[in-house]
Amino acid sequence: NAGVTQTPKFRVLKTGQSMTLLCAQDMNHEYMYWYRQDPGMGLRLIHYSVGEGTTAKGEVPDGYNVSRLKKQNFLLGLESAAPSQTSVYFCASTRGTPSYEQYFGPGTRLTVT
Amino acid sequence: QKEVEQDPGPLSVPEGAIVSLNCTYSNSAFQYFMWYRQYSRKGPELLMYTYSSGNKEDGRFTAQVDKSSKYISLFIRDSQPSDSATYLCAMRGVVYSNYQLIWGAGTKLIIKP
Repeated sequence: NAGVTQTPKFRVLKTGQSMTLLCAQDMNHEYMYWYRQDPGMGLRLIHYSVGEGTTAKGEVPDGYNVSRLKKQNFLLGLESAAPSQTSVYFCASTRGTPSYEQYFGPGTRLTVT
Repeated sequence: QKEVEQDPGPLSVPEGAIVSLNCTYSNSAFQYFMWYRQYSRKGPELLMYTYSSGNKEDGRFTAQVDKSSKYISLFIRDSQPSDSATYLCAMRGVVYSNYQLIWGAGTKLIIKP
């Protein structure tokens, strides 16, 4: 099993460009999450999904959109990138009960110039 | 005020020392407490998981929860250079239907050989 995979691993964008980050999990988990991690700020939840076809806003959703058309995939989109979106993005998934363990992907390092 | 407070460090200790990492929280509804370990340029991985109060031991690691003080700790005995990482605490209550975790900012730990 690959667990949680993310593509791409690195990306540099210019201000105003768009891109999509792909997260895939092979554990048949219902719940998936997108976080951003910035120095000293821990993990901040951007959007999450409680099942195929569902999405919801997290703590810092502005400037991002998501889609979950297939259970195993969770896409994060930046329509018009801004320097403030320079960060490391992590995708995570969990099956929920009885364990709430979230399994993380390796991350995507995004720089917006 | 954040729901979960964690000193970002860095905390630097010599090899073999006992390490104490801590988080405080404000929401008395939290019931599930976790410690994640994150190596540099990797995604977080679950290290310890505790439900409600008490202690849990796993090898050199002990997780402790004091709900009366809203304080959780992770102790590492006989610390090794391979323990150098960022340690994030995470927690949640029973009523979070999306299985969302509330995260501390993470403490960077450096074990000096």
